[in-house]
Amino acid sequence: EADIYQTPRYLVIGTGKKITLECSQTMGHDKMYWYQQDPGMELHLIHYSYGVNSTEKGDLSSESTVSRIRTEHFPLTLESARPSHTSQYLCASSEKGTDTQYFGPGTRLTVL
Amino acid sequence: KNQVEQSPQSLIILEGKNCTLQCNYTVSPFSNLRWYKQDTGRGPVSLTIMTFSENTKSNGRYTATLDADTKQSSLHITASQLSDSASYICVVSDRGSTLGRLYFGRGTQLTVWP
Repeated sequence: EADIYQTPRYLVIGTGKKITLECSQTMGHDKMYWYQQDPGMELHLIHYSYGVNSTEKGDLSSESTVSRIRTEHFPLTLESARPSHTSQYLCASSEKGTDTQYFGPGTRLTVL
Repeated sequence: KNQVEQSPQSLIILEGKNCTLQCNYTVSPFSNLRWYKQDTGRGPVSLTIMTFSENTKSNGRYTATLDADTKQSSLHITASQLSDSASYICVVSDRGSTLGRLYFGRGTQLTVWP
């Protein structure tokens, strides 16, 4: 079982609210990732980070933003949530030099 | 275009039976192929990983095969259990990327009935 945590696990909010999805890992991994997954669909990379102060956009365009101030912490923020943001968000991490990614349990976001 | 295709999309089997899930990919250059198990509402967990030179890998009742020439992989589950009900995702890594780029299939949703 990987030591990577996400909070909250479930979130239901109204349109226009600002939200932050938390992700933390205790493995000291340099690389961290955020994926978006809709039911029955593949995971899409929306953000990644090589290390502290490094953030990059992934393949799927997202209105969210991320920050990496500490190695263990990689929060994702939506400034103004919309129903189209309803999805499952998965955080992952990997060690430098490998591509084995360890996933958190995910946050199921519903925007009404 | 790098893609990973899985079949079937969903599968229902009775407890104790065997099943085989398929994965075809076009990712190049190829680094490795993983099968992940994703329980409902959870993150994916790695079951097996195979590199170019490996053509079979087992993890308990799970056996994965890889044919790098035809770019096909299969995951065979023996003596299925109720706890095997989950989505099984084929993930291929691109060794041409320093990021360790992963390409995900949509998964096969397996349901095991008692």
